Amino acid sequence: AQTVTQSQPEMSVQEAETVTLSCTYDTSESNYYLFWYKQPPSRQMILVIRQEAYKQQNATENRFSVNFQKAAKSFSLKISDSQLGDTAMYFCAFTNRDDKIIFGKGTRLHILP
Amino acid sequence: DGGITQSPKYLFRKEGQNVTLSCEQNLNHDAMYWYRQDPGQGLRLIYYSQIVNDFQKGDIAEGYSVSREKKESFPLTVTSAQKNPTAFYLCASSIASHSGRMNTEAFFGQGTRLTVV
Repeated sequence: AQTVTQSQPEMSVQEAETVTLSCTYDTSESNYYLFWYKQPPSRQMILVIRQEAYKQQNATENRFSVNFQKAAKSFSLKISDSQLGDTAMYFCAFTNRDDKIIFGKGTRLHILP
Repeated sequence: DGGITQSPKYLFRKEGQNVTLSCEQNLNHDAMYWYRQDPGQGLRLIYYSQIVNDFQKGDIAEGYSVSREKKESFPLTVTSAQKNPTAFYLCASSIASHSGRMNTEAFFGQGTRLTVV
């Protein structure tokens, strides 16, 4: 069975700093997608970034980038120049061809002024 | 506007009663999902459906039931057999792999907060 593990329940960083959120997963599949979702206090889930397992190049979306290590089954999210609006729960997620989407338990990120 | 709509936003249920949460999407997505969110537990999959008239149990299906009679709709019933139903429930939809493409993003509704009183 696929699993997603986020080892950091909560983190705090100062505004403008860089922060990295960790995620590991377990699967025997060769092709799959990995995602980072953001859930702000409004509780609306927002896709931050996605990565296809077949692509070696790490995905980047503005201040958000990932470090995808397929052999290690690691998928960390780096937020550069953090902003107060980045304060949220962040969920790592996995899906493959069975369409089941599995989420980790989340990391609560606080950006401090 | 295309999107996914959950209703109601807040729901109160008396112990022993069944209650149905609504989820509708107009994104033409084949796949739909129900998740339960509790503090410290992340999103746990209750049921998902890849196509009309078919659905699969997720990790915590006990005490819940679903139907998928229409592509646009995936209602979730919380039955009296669910021991701890108070939670935040999220519905999502996405393309399904049988379309020939990988599932590249799930779109979420605003959620329903269910409280047992």
